[in-house]
Amino acid sequence: DGGITQSPKYLFRKEGQNVTLSCEQNLNHDAMYWYRQDPGQGLRLIYYSQIVNDFQKGDIAEGYSVSREKKESFPLTVTSAQKNPTAFYLCASRPGTGGKGNEKLFFGSGTQLSVL
Amino acid sequence: AQSVTQLDSHVSVSEGTPVLLRCNYSSSYSPSLFWYVQHPNKGLQLLLKYTSAATLVKGINGFEAEFKKSETSFHLTKPSAHMSDAAEYFCVVSDGLTGGGNKLTFGTGTQLKVEL
Repeated sequence: DGGITQSPKYLFRKEGQNVTLSCEQNLNHDAMYWYRQDPGQGLRLIYYSQIVNDFQKGDIAEGYSVSREKKESFPLTVTSAQKNPTAFYLCASRPGTGGKGNEKLFFGSGTQLSVL
Repeated sequence: AQSVTQLDSHVSVSEGTPVLLRCNYSSSYSPSLFWYVQHPNKGLQLLLKYTSAATLVKGINGFEAEFKKSETSFHLTKPSAHMSDAAEYFCVVSDGLTGGGNKLTFGTGTQLKVEL
């Protein structure tokens, strides 16, 4: 079955440590996104990628990095520069990048990141 | 610039009574609007979307929403609540611009509680 797989489901980070969250999709989608969810706030965009080998900063990119070397993979690294990393992270993808008819997002099941 | 405001962080209804979840938006362009639902321990699911066709949009599970440009609103309704409707609901706006990544802006969410 096609879908988006995020791993791990739960992740713990020590002070000063970088951690990488995995997001893989087999839907042949061009665009992929990383969102962060905090209590009382809507999902906020961290990074997005419209095509392989290209990505752009979202609204809260500081302290994060991404890569898009393969169409199906969009890993997110939470660096030590991110001072408040505890949150629920959602990866999403969608088929195309233009027009109004194809903005439906497909979401992964999320990763809960906590700081030890 | 675009923004979305969900006017109620919590809504509580009795089973069998109507549901109203309010959403107001602002957008510089003709927007696309969405409602997503997030059940506990599950991923986000698209309920319905408006993309400049009919202003009254019907979604899954008996939900519908009406796009009112004059009021910049996109309220979600259901005639009769069911216990399984208890979840968190997100209103989302997209400016639909090409080349801009079609970034989605999420509201802060409304927690719907359904009581017997």
